This record gives sequence, C-alpha cells and structure tokens, in this order.
Amino acid sequence: DAKTTQPTSMDCAEGRAANLPCNHSTISGNEYVYWYRQIHSQGPQYIIHGLKNNETNEMASLIITEDRKSSTLILPHATLRDTAVYYCIVRAGGSNYKLTFGKGTLLTVNP
Amino acid sequence: DTEVTQTPKHLVMGMTNKKSLKCEQHMGHRAMYWYKQKAKKPPELMFVYSYEKLSINESVPSRFSPECPNSSLLNLHLHALQPEDSALYLCASSERVGQALNEQFFGPGTRLTVL
Repeated sequence: DAKTTQPTSMDCAEGRAANLPCNHSTISGNEYVYWYRQIHSQGPQYIIHGLKNNETNEMASLIITEDRKSSTLILPHATLRDTAVYYCIVRAGGSNYKLTFGKGTLLTVNP
Repeated sequence: DTEVTQTPKHLVMGMTNKKSLKCEQHMGHRAMYWYKQKAKKPPELMFVYSYEKLSINESVPSRFSPECPNSSLLNLHLHALQPEDSALYLCASSERVGQALNEQFFGPGTRLTVL
C-alpha cells in the first residue's frame, strides 16, 4: 500500500471548517483513500473513503486532487467532539484486508 | 446493532498469569480482527479471522493465541506475557475479508497492563 504523509497536529476553532490534508504521491490506480479517526481512549472510527471523485457523507467530505496524489478531509462545522487523531490510509481494492495506520494528525478543536 | 463490544475494559496481569480478552459483534460480519496499539502509536494488525478461520497472523508471538468460537465471538488468550506487551488491544469486524472496501468497525479496546 502507498505511504501517506500528514501533519502531526492542527488546530481549528469550534464551528469552523476543519481541513485535514494528506499526501499520497505514490498512490496506484487501484488504491482507495480512507479516513478513520480515533477519539482519545476509543477505537478508531471509519469516516469516509474515495477513489477518484469527491465524496460526501453525513460526517465529512473528501476532496481528492485530479492527479490523486493528495486529498483533503473536510469537517464542515467542527465541534469539540471532533477532537481526535485522524488517519489517512491508502488501500488497494480487491482482496486486500489490511488497514495500515500511519501516525495521523491530531486535530484539536478549540472553543 | 452496529457495535463491537470488548471485555474487560481494563486488565492487569502478572507475567505468569493466563487471561483472555473477549470481543463480540452482532452485525453478521464474517471477518474479525485483533489490533495492538502502544501508547502514542497507531494501531497495528495482529490477526485476521475470515469465516471463523484464522487467515492472517502478522508474525505475532505464540504467547498470544486467538480463537474464534463462532461468527459473533473472538477471543485472545494471553499467557506468559511480558511488560512490553502492555497496550490497548482493539477488536474490529467487517462484512468480509475479500471485500476490501468494507469499513472496519472497532470496539473500544481492552487496556492491558502486564506487571
């Protein structure tokens, strides 16, 4: 699976949009971009995934650049409960079972 | 029910003890996973079960012994652990192993301390 690079930490004001970047410059054509988050002392939680097109669900939006070498997770209206470590994971489709977590970004939402 | 439950939440054991961690899901998922997470590190995969059979062992020492008695339950038996095995042990499940796009649902974890 391709390697990802994320900032170590970010801050965001409550109610504002949080934009979390991820670089995956070695991504292959059959690899998807996944985002999970882990709130302190809890298990990771799936957020969203995408291949080429931008995706949106009730939690977040995922913007993938046209060359697919980077992506941005957007939390449109961050709340204090969104404070967590956010993991960007690149993973092949097909029979690949493995989630390989990188170091992630610690997002702190401030009041 | 979209929940993965794990018991106990906390466990303290000596190096000569034998203990077990339990994980349960009622989502009809046929793939279940054990991950280990050391403090301030990301989770690392240990084992994968597919249709109650062990399909992946990520070179985990034999002092960790997984078991899948049925499609809803996953156990991790612990014996002769070392203090460096102290960590958060996470269980996860997904619909299938072969369908890689399936999200994995994680439990809250068991925090293990080995004295």
